[in-house]
Amino acid sequence: DGGITQSPKYLFRKEGQNVTLSCEQNLNHDAMYWYRQDPGQGLRLIYYSQIVNDFQKGDIAEGYSVSREKKESFPLTVTSAQKNPTAFYLCASSIGVRETQYFGPGTRLLVL
Amino acid sequence: AQTVTQSQPEMSVQEAETVTLSCTYDTSESDYYLFWYKQPPSRQMILVIRQEAYKQQNATENRFSVNFQKAAKSFSLKISDSQLGDAAMYFCAYRRGGATNKLIFGTGTLLAVQP
Repeated sequence: DGGITQSPKYLFRKEGQNVTLSCEQNLNHDAMYWYRQDPGQGLRLIYYSQIVNDFQKGDIAEGYSVSREKKESFPLTVTSAQKNPTAFYLCASSIGVRETQYFGPGTRLLVL
Repeated sequence: AQTVTQSQPEMSVQEAETVTLSCTYDTSESDYYLFWYKQPPSRQMILVIRQEAYKQQNATENRFSVNFQKAAKSFSLKISDSQLGDAAMYFCAYRRGGATNKLIFGTGTLLAVQP
């Protein structure tokens, strides 16, 4: 089955620690995205990538980093510079930048 | 800047009845797309329906339809014959046309379906 997978489902971060969230898709989509969702709010764009080896900052990129070495994979690292990382993180992909985005199941990040 | 407003934080509907969720947006663009996404308790975002601004005909997907009023910048979602599985958070989203991929989301409407 084609789809988007995210792992882990839950992730715990200690103070000062970097953590990496995984996002993989087998839909052969060119574009991939990372969103953050806080309680009572809609999604906000962190980073997006239109093609391999290219990515752009979204609205709230500070404290996050990404890479796009393979078409199928777009991992997100939450660095120690992100002071309020507790949130639900959603990965999405689309065939191209003009096309509809489809979402993965999400990762819940909690701070210990 | 474009904004999306969902003025109903919570709604409730009886099973088999019809409910309408409201969404308004603000933009100066003429080319754009509008979406309704559903987020059930599993929290995965699921596309419900999509509307292109240049199309006058309202989009329909089975029991889901929209009322797109371009001049009023209104994009409401109508769910007919509501089912228990429709209970979820519903988000309205906007995307500018052209080579852009940024979705702007509203704050969501939590829909409860009463048996």
